[in-house]
Amino acid sequence: SQQGEEDPQALSIQEGENATMNCSYKTSINNLQWYRQNSGRGLVHLILIRSNEREKHSGRLRVTLDTSKKSSSLLITASRAADTASYFCAPKNSGGSNYKLTFGKGTLLTVNP
Amino acid sequence: DGGITQSPKYLFRKEGQNVTLSCEQNLNHDAMYWYRQDPGQGLRLIYYSQIVNDFQKGDIAEGYSVSREKKESFPLTVTSAQKNPTAFYLCASSGQRSAEDGNTIYFGEGSWLTVV
Repeated sequence: SQQGEEDPQALSIQEGENATMNCSYKTSINNLQWYRQNSGRGLVHLILIRSNEREKHSGRLRVTLDTSKKSSSLLITASRAADTASYFCAPKNSGGSNYKLTFGKGTLLTVNP
Repeated sequence: DGGITQSPKYLFRKEGQNVTLSCEQNLNHDAMYWYRQDPGQGLRLIYYSQIVNDFQKGDIAEGYSVSREKKESFPLTVTSAQKNPTAFYLCASSGQRSAEDGNTIYFGEGSWLTVV
């Protein structure tokens, strides 16, 4: 398995603004997932994008994937205070274990009211 | 409701003691995982199990032990050999890989372990 690297490490914005966070990885993937973690809680799956997809939407979330650059971005539009959380990406290797995912340090997003 | 239950939420360990964190899932998932998270850090994989009676070491298995006697249960023991066990521990599970699921991992709410 490989670990994604999220950037920036921390992001602070005002309510209503858009938030963009990025993820880079090293080797070819089957899919890439984004998760959210509220402080002191478990991670919650947000969205999965497959290697043959370039963009995917879910509500206020938009994920893009550029396999040539080995990178993905997560955009949260019209952010709310409730979006304050850490966000993690998890790239899934093309080969190897069907099950194991590893997680980096995440991006800590703070949305100020 | 289907989900993953971790207990206890908060646990204090004295020096030299072993402690066991419980993890139960009713999602009928084959795979289960234990992660450790230190403050402001990412998740590190301790152990994982793809099927009953089988488990593999993750990246930081030293000082920990697990068992997988039942599909729904994957307890983690933090032994006295783990010199710096104070952390947030997350249990997770995932089902058979499918075209739609893509190996999504479902997490419990975590357990805080503190050495006193």
